[in-house]
Amino acid sequence: NTKITQSPRYLILGRANKSLECEQHLGHNAMYWYKQSAEKPPELMFLYNLKQLIRNETVPSRFIPECPDSSKLLLHISAVDPEDSAVYFCASSHPDSGNTLYFGEGSRLIVV
Amino acid sequence: GEKVEQHESTLSVREGDSAVINCTYTDTASSYFPWYKQEAGKGLHFVIDIRSNVDRKQSQRLIVLLDKKAKRFSLHITATQPEDSAIYFCAASIGGGSGNKLIFGTGTLLSVKP
Repeated sequence: NTKITQSPRYLILGRANKSLECEQHLGHNAMYWYKQSAEKPPELMFLYNLKQLIRNETVPSRFIPECPDSSKLLLHISAVDPEDSAVYFCASSHPDSGNTLYFGEGSRLIVV
Repeated sequence: GEKVEQHESTLSVREGDSAVINCTYTDTASSYFPWYKQEAGKGLHFVIDIRSNVDRKQSQRLIVLLDKKAKRFSLHITATQPEDSAIYFCAASIGGGSGNKLIFGTGTLLSVKP
């Protein structure tokens, strides 16, 4: 799937700040961040629908999403914690496509 | 809130046989049930979905069944091939409204042996 691109693909961090980026070329109007920890299912962190943010209230405040336009999504992470080690997937959808979610290939974050 | 339970954590079949993965959900308001395939180190790829206005949907070798009374849905893969080997996730959401908040099952690792 080259229509949803994520960067970086791999990230090894100490207690630093970093941003993950996602861009979709599908013309979708909703974008999502999902977190998948080892051997677990993906879990919704944030949803932007028509640039309105819906958040999972269990996500720590050190994760801050940003949606500069309808095709781009950022995830700013400050002072990462070892429990943040996971793969972060971006996804997008549109009502015209039945609201089916299409996922990027993920950004693997390793906190050392 | 919605909970999705995926009953088989692993499933092993012989090439050419059928594979069946079962999921149950708790929220009667859920109306959209997609399935995703994840190969090792890759993202999730949409394979098929079903909405609550039908109880069966087929796409080539994939069949999804939905039993709304039992709050159960299942994925049937017929004539399995080695390239079907992957983790399969079921999911559920309340359709319509803002975006599509999917709740995933825990995944089933399907192995298709030649």
